[in-house]
Amino acid sequence: AQSVTQPDIHITVSEGASLELRCNYSYGATPYLFWYVQSPGQGLQLLLKYFSGDTLVQGIKGFEAEFKRSQSSFNLRKPSVHWSDAAEYFCAVGALSAGNMLTFGGGTRLMVKP
Amino acid sequence: DGGITQSPKYLFRKEGQNVTLSCEQNLNHDAMYWYRQDPGQGLRLIYYSQIVNDFQKGDIAEGYSVSREKKESFPLTVTSAQKNPTAFYLCASTHTGGGNTGELFFGEGSRLTVL
Repeated sequence: AQSVTQPDIHITVSEGASLELRCNYSYGATPYLFWYVQSPGQGLQLLLKYFSGDTLVQGIKGFEAEFKRSQSSFNLRKPSVHWSDAAEYFCAVGALSAGNMLTFGGGTRLMVKP
Repeated sequence: DGGITQSPKYLFRKEGQNVTLSCEQNLNHDAMYWYRQDPGQGLRLIYYSQIVNDFQKGDIAEGYSVSREKKESFPLTVTSAQKNPTAFYLCASTHTGGGNTGELFFGEGSRLTVL
């Protein structure tokens, strides 16, 4: 069965500092990987996705993620965090062969200090 | 604009009552999903439907029911059999035909509180 682990429940960074959110997955086949962001009381917005090809993926709002098959990881990064980035971030894994069903990690709540 | 509309945004229920959460999409997506979100547990799949008049149970279907009579609509009923229904419920949809990129599109969610 597929699973996703986000080891950090909460992360606090200062505005302007760099950010890395960790995601590890378990999946038998080649996975499709996603990062979503959620503001309080809102739905989820897609930040970026990986299907194949270049393992460094660029997304919206200045985010990027790197797929490392050997480490089963798909960590999210941003060089300089803005106060508006404070939100909850979810990593997800899925496959088209599985009916597009995604399995989500538990989420990482990001707080940004001024 | 195309999107997914969930209603109501907030709902209060007394114990023993059934409630129905609405989900409508005008994206012409084939597949629709219901997820439940609890703090620290991420999103868990309740039910999903890939075509009209067909749906399958997800990981936590007990105490829930759905219908898919129209392509654009996928209502979720939280029954009195659901032991702990207080949660945030998210509806999602996706295209499953040619050009499918695997991502789900989400509504704004419905928060159910049992009093």
